[in-house]
Amino acid sequence: ETGVTQTPRHLVMGMTNKKSLKCEQHLGHNAMYWYKQSAKKPLELMFVYSLEERVENNSVPSRFSPECPNSSHLFLHLHTLQPEDSALYLCASSQDWGGRTDTQYFGPGTRLTVL
Amino acid sequence: AQSVAQPEDQVNVAEGNPLTVKCTYSVSGNPYLFWYVQYPNRGLQFLLKYITGDNLVKGSYGFEAEFNKSQTSFHLKKPSALVSDSALYFCAVRDMRGGATNKLIFGTGTLLAVQP
Repeated sequence: ETGVTQTPRHLVMGMTNKKSLKCEQHLGHNAMYWYKQSAKKPLELMFVYSLEERVENNSVPSRFSPECPNSSHLFLHLHTLQPEDSALYLCASSQDWGGRTDTQYFGPGTRLTVL
Repeated sequence: AQSVAQPEDQVNVAEGNPLTVKCTYSVSGNPYLFWYVQYPNRGLQFLLKYITGDNLVKGSYGFEAEFNKSQTSFHLKKPSALVSDSALYFCAVRDMRGGATNKLIFGTGTLLAVQP
């Protein structure tokens, strides 16, 4: 395994529900990422945290709300989602945000289905 | 424009034969290039990266990639394919816009199918 864990692995929710995705990294990294992976589309970077500060927010709808309480944990809070938000949500971490040669290590993902 | 292209949606190869998964890129400045593999219902696993130096980069599971600056390519190769290599492969390039960040631009992926 990569040292990045995600829970839950699968999630089915209605459009009015509120749920959260959790990511934890055991690599001692300083940067953490949320990606959305949809079929037939490139990975979409959603958010980046560096040393618990949000440094990237790629025009993501407000129904997705990230939280990074410490450098090892990252959450994605979900509310009033749409069916088109159904996708695989991947968490990743790297040593630093400013390290151009750093490798990003990914978790197994959460498969989200919005009914 | 900063971009990466994987021209083949799917590559089919017989077990034991050599395989190549193609990737071309477009960036300003020196490229930093990565290959990842994704098995079904799993996240992306890092295979190898090119930062500088030798144009032939060796990675995990017997994979290697050849950096070709004149052709702006970074093709993934393996001398002898295994059925277990069947997976989705992603090429990525560091996005050089916006200063020193770790942002990656990913290709759309190539599905490798190795037939026994």
